[in-house]
Amino acid sequence: GDSVTQMEGPVTLSEEAFLTINCTYTATGYPSLFWYVQYPGEGLQLLLKATKADDKGSNKGFEATYRKETTSFHLEKGSVQVSDSAVYFCALSVTGRRALTFGSGTRLQVQP
Amino acid sequence: ETGVTQTPRHLVMGMTNKKSLKCEQHLGHNAMYWYKQSAKKPLELMFVYNFKEQTENNSVPSRFSPECPNSSHLFLHLHTLQPEDSALYLCASSQASGGATETQYFGPGTRLLVL
Repeated sequence: GDSVTQMEGPVTLSEEAFLTINCTYTATGYPSLFWYVQYPGEGLQLLLKATKADDKGSNKGFEATYRKETTSFHLEKGSVQVSDSAVYFCALSVTGRRALTFGSGTRLQVQP
Repeated sequence: ETGVTQTPRHLVMGMTNKKSLKCEQHLGHNAMYWYKQSAKKPLELMFVYNFKEQTENNSVPSRFSPECPNSSHLFLHLHTLQPEDSALYLCASSQASGGATETQYFGPGTRLLVL
């Protein structure tokens, strides 16, 4: 079946540090890939997405590249801020199945 | 109101109570979803509705009963819940195209505590 594996957290960084959150996937079809972010006490917000190999999704300084050869979709940001503290979820969807398959989430804590 | 809204935001109920969660989407979408987010577990899909018809039930116990009267509204009726049902219940919507590129938009969730 389809699955998403994320690095376990929490990830603790100082402000302006470089961020990488790893995400790898297995899928029976050709998936689309997503990163969602959940701020404390809130629901999930779409951060970025990529729908085909070598696509790069980007938003708010975050980037992720769809790597089919390594089945990965790692999230990166060059300089994190305290306001980026949240839980980040990697997810995939495949044609014919409407549900998203989520990873377990990675908590990011950014210290001033 | 914009996006996906959910009410109530917080709910405390006893195991013998009956309550309902409400979700409304203002995005013109035609597919709606219920997800459950428990501590230390990945988000679990519960139900999918497409054009008001239920298309997926992910082996959810019958004490959870969904209702979708139209493409904009989705309810989750709760009765005789267990303490382990305490979780954040998230509603989402999407514009159904049948393809993998559909993007789901989530509401803020209802934090449920069952005593």
